[in-house]
This record gives sequence, structure tokens and C-alpha cells, in this order.
Amino acid sequence: GQQLNQSPQSMFIQEGEDVSMNCTSSSIFNTWLWYKQDPGEGPVLLIALYKAGELTSNGRLTAQFGITRKDSFLNISASIPSDVGIYFCAGRVYGGSQGNLIFGKGTKLSVKP
Amino acid sequence: NAGVTQTPKFQVLKTGQSMTLQCAQDMNHNSMYWYRQDPGMGLRLIYYSASEGTTDKGEVPNGYNVSRLNKREFSLRLESAAPSQTSVYFCASRGTGYGINYEQYFGPGTRLTVT
Repeated sequence: GQQLNQSPQSMFIQEGEDVSMNCTSSSIFNTWLWYKQDPGEGPVLLIALYKAGELTSNGRLTAQFGITRKDSFLNISASIPSDVGIYFCAGRVYGGSQGNLIFGKGTKLSVKP
Repeated sequence: NAGVTQTPKFQVLKTGQSMTLQCAQDMNHNSMYWYRQDPGMGLRLIYYSASEGTTDKGEVPNGYNVSRLNKREFSLRLESAAPSQTSVYFCASRGTGYGINYEQYFGPGTRLTVT
């Protein structure tokens, strides 16, 4: 089946640092979404992207729809402690079954000890 | 506007027992979904309902059944629970249209342990 490769799997952040993560796919997507999940909660939608090359921000978060339509990137600027959690990318394949989403396995952000 | 609600929040079952997980949304969304989340596996689609009256299998449907009771409610049933079904279950819903407001929104989850 289709797969999304999300990297890194985990990373440690220090307050004030910028953070980058990405997702790549073997298929062309027409939609990329980024979700955040806090411990014990459901995923919360952060950003949606619909066009190749599109750059969209939500506060300190900025995401881009890759021009090849096979990847997407999420950047967090000036990280703060409440940024910790798991970030998931999700994509919708052009013409895919019922427009269902394919999810990456997540990038876990933790605070540097 | 509660969004997507799920009951119960936690459940412990013995192997072979049955139970139904409930999901309801108040956003007038047409599509509803059931996912399971296991460590290191991300979110995997169990079943979905593109509209009231229709249901379809997702990636991991074995051992589960679903019912789209009406436009608001979509339930997931485990007929004979197995330890492999220990997981966190999420319901989601999606509207018909274009843009971020029509994407999938998730409930808070049900944490199920099968012993």
C-alpha cells in the first residue's frame, strides 16, 4: 500500500530553537495536512495545503507543499515548551479511494534534558 | 459545538468479550472514520462511512464491525475482543467541501485494553 515516510522519528528541542520535519511519499498527493497530538488527546489539525509550492503559516508554524507533489515540510520557529508532542503529516492521493488520508508515523518532539 | 465526541474514554475487556465504541459529531459532516493508533504505527484506518447509509473497509478491518446509525453517529463494534485489539481508537469526521474547515477532525479517543 501507499506509505508516507516521516522524519525524523523523534527530536529534542531546546526553548528558542527552530525545528524542521518532513514527509515524503511515493505517490503524488493533492492535499497535505499537518496534525499535532498531545499526550492522551486526539490529533488536532494545524495546517492544510492544497497546491504545489504553497506555503502556509499558523502562528510560529509554517508548512510547505513540495513542488514535486510528493513531499511536505513543517517548520516551527522559536520553539516553546508547549510545542512538545507528536506531529503527524497526512496526505490525500489524487483520485484516491473516497479521498481518504494516508498518515505518516509521526515525529515526536521532546524537551532536551 | 462539541465537535467529535467518543465514549467511553477508557475500557478494559477480557478476551472474548464484546463491546461497542460510540462516536458522535455535531458539525453536520457527511463522512466519518474509525482509526486505531498503536506505538510506532501511526494511525491506521479501520472502517469509514462516506455518507449516511454507506460503510467501507479501511486498511485493518478484521475483527471489527461498524454501524452508521444516522448522520451524527458512527459506532465501532468488537464482537470477540482479542489482546491484539489493545489500542487507542479514534473517530474522525469530515465535511464535504474544499478547505481546512472540511478536513478530518478527530475525537479524544478511547483507550482499550484487552486482557
